[in-house]
Amino acid sequence: DAGITQSPRHKVTETGTPVTLRCHQTENHRYMYWYRQDPGHGLRLIHYSYGVKDTDKGEVSDGYSVSRSKTEDFLLTLESATSSQTSVYFCAIRTQGLEGGYTFGSGTRLTVV
Amino acid sequence: GENVEQHPSTLSVQEGDSAVIKCTYSDSASNYFPWYKQELGKGPQLIIDIRSNVGEKKDQRIAVTLNKTAKHFSLHITETQPEDSAVYFCAASRPTTARQLTFGSGTQLTVLP
Repeated sequence: DAGITQSPRHKVTETGTPVTLRCHQTENHRYMYWYRQDPGHGLRLIHYSYGVKDTDKGEVSDGYSVSRSKTEDFLLTLESATSSQTSVYFCAIRTQGLEGGYTFGSGTRLTVV
Repeated sequence: GENVEQHPSTLSVQEGDSAVIKCTYSDSASNYFPWYKQELGKGPQLIIDIRSNVGEKKDQRIAVTLNKTAKHFSLHITETQPEDSAVYFCAASRPTTARQLTFGSGTQLTVLP
């Protein structure tokens, strides 16, 4: 999958705890994205990055922060997890230039109890 | 922002029949329309895309059509096979630098043997 890996694959955490999800790519792509997938909503954009230390908000960014200190790593942090953040989280990289399609990672299933 | 609606949410067809999934978008500035296939437990995978300067595109058994005037686009799968069973997502993006994709809510396609 174009050298994109997400970790962890599964996580259960308690309400109120911080959680960090990692996305790692091996191909030096500039654009990286975090989406969440929920039944009936498709995939919704949380945050995206267009370079090291360059990030911006997406459609559903409340309660989430991101960081990109290296080209290859894009981190998503839930500062204080809530049950509404139970979801499957996908990282994507844009692999086809200016009009590119995305390549997605395998996802992280996060359960907040 | 962009809004993408996708229908139907579920679709069952007999093996060998055709399947059609339809999407409408709201932003007339959108000019890139990809389709993704998601198998159980995996990330979405790009299967075909179309740009606004093209009305139709084919790749073996799959085709996508675009009607810019009506702001809708469709995925056509012919001679369906059991391995076509999956969730399919349409998406749209405007010609921004970050090329954020807005996704439809998905269609669960089941091909009955």
